[in-house]
Amino acid sequence: KNEVEQSPQNLTAQEGEFITINCSYSVGISALHWLQQHPGGGIVSLFMLSSGKKKHGRLIATINIQEKHSSLHITASHPRDSAVYICAAPPQGGSEKLVFGKGTKLTVNP
Amino acid sequence: NAGVTQTPKFQVLKTGQSMTLQCAQDMNHNSMYWYRQDPGMGLRLIYYSASEGTTDKGEVPNGYNVSRLNKREFSLRLESAAPSQTSVYFCASSWTGSQPQHFGDGTRLSIL
Repeated sequence: KNEVEQSPQNLTAQEGEFITINCSYSVGISALHWLQQHPGGGIVSLFMLSSGKKKHGRLIATINIQEKHSSLHITASHPRDSAVYICAAPPQGGSEKLVFGKGTKLTVNP
Repeated sequence: NAGVTQTPKFQVLKTGQSMTLQCAQDMNHNSMYWYRQDPGMGLRLIYYSASEGTTDKGEVPNGYNVSRLNKREFSLRLESAAPSQTSVYFCASSWTGSQPQHFGDGTRLSIL
């Protein structure tokens, strides 16, 4: 089974700060997912990446396959970025059954 | 755009009662999933369906049954609800298992 660990569990930042959330996994994978869970509970997929880097607006996701590590960065953070950020990876040998990290709760203060 | 629709949004049951959570997607996705989310734990897969007519167990299937009625609909049934099944349940869908998943808004279920 793939073990997915996120750090930190909680993160508080001031508006405008650069944010980094980390995700490590134990087994080689085909792709890693980053998701955002809004304070109201809704979950949206942010990125799915298998190598290198992806960027969407102020969000940047990177992955290092050799080190089994991914990071999610938020530039110029804003209070509306406050959410729980979740990474997920498939278990070795299968892509249907994602294993999810416990999430990082981000609070951005004005 | 409806996306993934779950019903109901909230439900309170008594121990031993049964109920079915409904999920429908309008994106013509092949794969559908049921997850539960508990405080301090990540999302855990209960069951999934890779295509119409197929279902498979996830990490925590005990106490649940599923039915992939057609390509659009994937229901989750609790035959005899237990307090340990108090949770928030999410349905999701994707084109295939290796594609990003689209989530419903969740069902908050309390079992007394």
